[in-house]
Amino acid sequence: TQLLEQSPQFLSIQEGENLTVYCNSSSVFSSLQWYRQEPGEGPVLLVTVVTGGEVKKLKRLTFQFGDARKDSSLHITAAQPGDTGLYLCAGPRNEKLTFGTGTRLTIIP
Amino acid sequence: NAGVTQTPKFQVLKTGQSMTLQCAQDMNHNSMYWYRQDPGMGLRLIYYSASEGTTDKGEVPNGYNVSRLNKREFSLRLESAAPSQTSVYFCASKANQPQHFGDGTRLSIL
Repeated sequence: TQLLEQSPQFLSIQEGENLTVYCNSSSVFSSLQWYRQEPGEGPVLLVTVVTGGEVKKLKRLTFQFGDARKDSSLHITAAQPGDTGLYLCAGPRNEKLTFGTGTRLTIIP
Repeated sequence: NAGVTQTPKFQVLKTGQSMTLQCAQDMNHNSMYWYRQDPGMGLRLIYYSASEGTTDKGEVPNGYNVSRLNKREFSLRLESAAPSQTSVYFCASKANQPQHFGDGTRLSIL
């Protein structure tokens, strides 16, 4: 059983469109991290959300942590081809991180 | 800036062969991790080392061993490779948060 479920698994949209991807769990996390991974590279941290209800913005990317700290979303406005990649959420458990299954996003020029 | 360095980047093995994947970090981080990444399954923790001299099993440790050689280096060994171990392997390190990842080793077992 996956502790963190991400949806959708795959998403392909046209450049300029908006999109939202989700990270859901039945467990409470003290924080959630979002990573982006490009082909041939390791994941790179985008943001960490810590407080329930928190919203963080990173240019066209908006991250939200659920009030109950069990879920998070990533909204991208006016998607660009450079946004293409695998988006992973991750939650800390003691010294370890539990990763979601990922959303593979493709932006079509 | 080196960060986390993994070697080799690619490797093909035959079933039953052994191999060691190397990982080194230059950020003076205490904690180091080995993950495998398979399609549709995200990153799964194989082993980790919270500090020099300690190692602990993660989610999928069977078939692997690790050595925390010193603070910088954390190696992953496959004693008798199996086709089910075909995967991309990532090493990561951290002080507090977040984890910093290497670029991976793509391993194929025939």
